[in-house]
Amino acid sequence: SQKIEQNSEALNIQEGKTATLTCNYTNYSPAYLQWYRQDPGRGPVFLLLIRENEKEKRKERLKVTFDTTLKQSLFHITASQPADSATYLCALGRSDTGRRALTFGSGTRLQVQP
Amino acid sequence: DAMVIQNPRYQVTQFGKPVTLSCSQTLNHNVMYWYQQKSSQAPKLLFHYYDKDFNNEADTPDNFQSRRPNTSFCFLDIRSPGLGDAAMYLCATSRGSGQSYNEQFFGPGTRLTVL
Repeated sequence: SQKIEQNSEALNIQEGKTATLTCNYTNYSPAYLQWYRQDPGRGPVFLLLIRENEKEKRKERLKVTFDTTLKQSLFHITASQPADSATYLCALGRSDTGRRALTFGSGTRLQVQP
Repeated sequence: DAMVIQNPRYQVTQFGKPVTLSCSQTLNHNVMYWYQQKSSQAPKLLFHYYDKDFNNEADTPDNFQSRRPNTSFCFLDIRSPGLGDAAMYLCATSRGSGQSYNEQFFGPGTRLTVL
């Protein structure tokens, strides 16, 4: 069956360091992949999208890579700040339903220490 | 500001008592989604509308129904809530033009408690 894995253990890093979060998937051929940020008690907020034919995307301090051979995406936050503390969800775009539907991972909680 | 609004933010219902959650959007997006999210779990897609076209997920229980009377509004009806239906319910929208990779815009969610 299709499976998305994100590290369920919280990632604790020091302010100013680079945070790297991992999303692995199996039995899946996603058309695209998205990353979202979710704060406690709030809805997810879109951060970045990367398509199956793209290797890397950047936006300000954020960088996403997508390796369809390894079936893995890495999400990097450089020069991390305490305000970056949140849960980060990866979401894979399904190829059915006109590519409108997403399947989410359960997220990794990032804690940036000042 | 254009946004996705969910009401109420907190809903308490009794076991077996029907409940309706509402979602409205000012983004004029074609697609509206309903997700269920339990603590520390992934948001789980229940169904979505592409305009008036309803798309149900295969594993969504029959207890969950939805209505979209117009572009702006979408409702989630839980006909007979069980204790296992206590969760955060998230509404989202996207532009959804044909074959699309569009980002989804989420509302703040409704926290449902079942007593």
